[in-house]
Amino acid sequence: EVQLVQSGAEVKKPGEPLKISCKVSGYRFTNNWIGWVRQIPGKGLEWMGAIYPDDSDTRYSPSFQGQVTISADKSIDIAYLQWRSVKPSDTAMYYCTRLFQGRASMRFWYFDLWGRGTLVTVSS
Amino acid sequence: QSVLTQPPSVSGIPGQRVTISCSGSSSNIETNIVNWYQQFSGPAPKLIIYDINQRPSGVPGRFSGSKSGTSASLAISGLQSEDEADYYCETWDDSLNAWVFGGGTKLTVL
Repeated sequence: EVQLVQSGAEVKKPGEPLKISCKVSGYRFTNNWIGWVRQIPGKGLEWMGAIYPDDSDTRYSPSFQGQVTISADKSIDIAYLQWRSVKPSDTAMYYCTRLFQGRASMRFWYFDLWGRGTLVTVSS
Repeated sequence: QSVLTQPPSVSGIPGQRVTISCSGSSSNIETNIVNWYQQFSGPAPKLIIYDINQRPSGVPGRFSGSKSGTSASLAISGLQSEDEADYYCETWDDSLNAWVFGGGTKLTVL
């Protein structure tokens, strides 16, 4: 069964570092880009960035460039999303999602599988 | 403020046909495919329409998508109570070089 299994909920204080994970199974990890999507409670979906695990090519949304770091370890089929220093405004649900690459250009791709999400709460 | 504009809410009665609109621009919807996701309270989003009007395996034929110019629509016919959820459109934006989502539409089945 194809699965994206995300790490558990996190509660952090402002200024602390944080790294959450997304473990992939059921397909070849290096074949598909993995994206991260933020959902602030009660709000909509925002694409943050994506990584191609085979060569770690990474793209970021302009809104999140410099705010987070996306990485992947293809030896253990895990993608990561990390912050050097979290803020209360980072409180949200974070989803990892697989990108289906039907054709060469990114304009034709879509998010076909989703993890269950990791809830991050940042509060003093 | 989302790049793609959706109505915050729509409603309908069982058996009715409802549509959810998604308005964009020449840098996104007009030139790229549009995809739609369904999200019930709590769980992760689920892809229900891809490439404007294609349905993944297991998605009922009651769901359909279309696109015209800078707008796209999701139609749900034969509305059922289990369709009550939030729906999001999504596409690639050539100016931002990013995937963008609509703000979401809450569908209520009366």
